[in-house]
Amino acid sequence: KAGVTQTPRYLIKTRGQQVTLSCSPISGHRSVSWYQQTPGQGLQFLFEYFSETQRNKGNFPGRFSGRQFSNSRSEMNVSTLELGDSALYLCASSSLAGGLFTGELFFGEGSRLTVL
Amino acid sequence: EDQVTQSPEALRLQEGESSSLNCSYTVSGLRGLFWYRQDPGKGPEFLFTLYSAGEEKEKERLKATLTKKESFLHITAPKPEDSATYLCAVRNFGNEKLTFGTGTRLTIIP
Repeated sequence: KAGVTQTPRYLIKTRGQQVTLSCSPISGHRSVSWYQQTPGQGLQFLFEYFSETQRNKGNFPGRFSGRQFSNSRSEMNVSTLELGDSALYLCASSSLAGGLFTGELFFGEGSRLTVL
Repeated sequence: EDQVTQSPEALRLQEGESSSLNCSYTVSGLRGLFWYRQDPGKGPEFLFTLYSAGEEKEKERLKATLTKKESFLHITAPKPEDSATYLCAVRNFGNEKLTFGTGTRLTIIP
């Protein structure tokens, strides 16, 4: 079964621009979460969606936003890019077990964003 | 706020030399503790879930254990292919947020 697909894999932007990243979860998974990974901070939680509703949000400024579509695909957007936004952005999907969210996340390979 | 601290930051072992990685956590209500493995340029890969103190899980050369304050990932007779960054994460029972540690970068020397 196909894994989590993230596009694009690499992109370069300049300060002030905006970017949209896309994530297609594993078929049947309705939960999608996004993480920012940097060498200094590690993996930091951005937001989590389930059935098109945002369930949780991390401590990031409002420039970071996301959404989930009816087919469970998700996008995240970063507006007014800053140098510090350079990072690997990871998407993960998961399913429910007994009605509870498990910690078994299936990650994509990420979108590496460089802001110049 | 939930916190996860992993140690050491980096560990180099000879092939066959067993050791342990530590994950200390502070969480207001633990729903679960998770271990992931991440290879360079890849997303993390799920290894284990531990739910309560005293629980243990094993997979090949890896064994994860859990106490009320920390978890250990024991690596027995490691091989070069075990080289990776190992990440620990906790999920909060109340808000269900997942908090990751910064990882331990493990290198196994042939």
